[in-house]
Amino acid sequence: KQEVTQIPAALSVPEGENLVLNCSFTDSAIYNLQWFRQDPGKGLTSLLLIQSSQREQTSGRLNASLDKSSGRSTLYIAASQPGDSATYLCAVDPYNQGGKLIFGQGTELSVKP
Amino acid sequence: KAGVTQTPRYLIKTRGQQVTLSCSPISGHRSVSWYQQTPGQGLQFLFEYFSETQRNKGNFPGRFSGRQFSNSRSEMNVSTLELGDSALYLCASSLAAGVDTGELFFGEGSRLTVL
Repeated sequence: KQEVTQIPAALSVPEGENLVLNCSFTDSAIYNLQWFRQDPGKGLTSLLLIQSSQREQTSGRLNASLDKSSGRSTLYIAASQPGDSATYLCAVDPYNQGGKLIFGQGTELSVKP
Repeated sequence: KAGVTQTPRYLIKTRGQQVTLSCSPISGHRSVSWYQQTPGQGLQFLFEYFSETQRNKGNFPGRFSGRQFSNSRSEMNVSTLELGDSALYLCASSLAAGVDTGELFFGEGSRLTVL
């Protein structure tokens, strides 16, 4: 059974720091991994999608990597800003699950001015 | 291009009632999936529809049902509401052109409170 874990559950950093969020999954049989951002009481915003054949994806100050063999992904945020404060979730798209993504519990990030 | 639209955004019901939530996907997206989000359980998959067919269903009781229309709009229904059904219900759409789900785009959610 696929399980997705995100550590740490919460993280507080001063503005300007570079930081890394971690995501691990137990079964490497996935099509892709997606990172999302969720602001309080809101829906999820897609940040990056990494196909299983890719090693990393970049968008602005965000860089996500994927190591399928070890079951790990990281989301790197450069030069963090208070506006980056949100909960970050990763999700995997497992083989033969017909549209069912498996989500981690998320990392709640707080960037202090 | 408009995003995923969910209605209503907020609603309050009492135990035993039923509720219908609506989701309009991004234009051109044929796959719609539904998730329930609660503080204790996180995001849990309810079901996914593609071209009006339910392709997958999560581990929820039969009180939770859904459907998809020919224009890809989707509805989910919860009957005989229980206190534990209080949650944020999120709808997501994707192109799902291949065997994988593809990039998922979420709506703002429908916040259901059951009293």
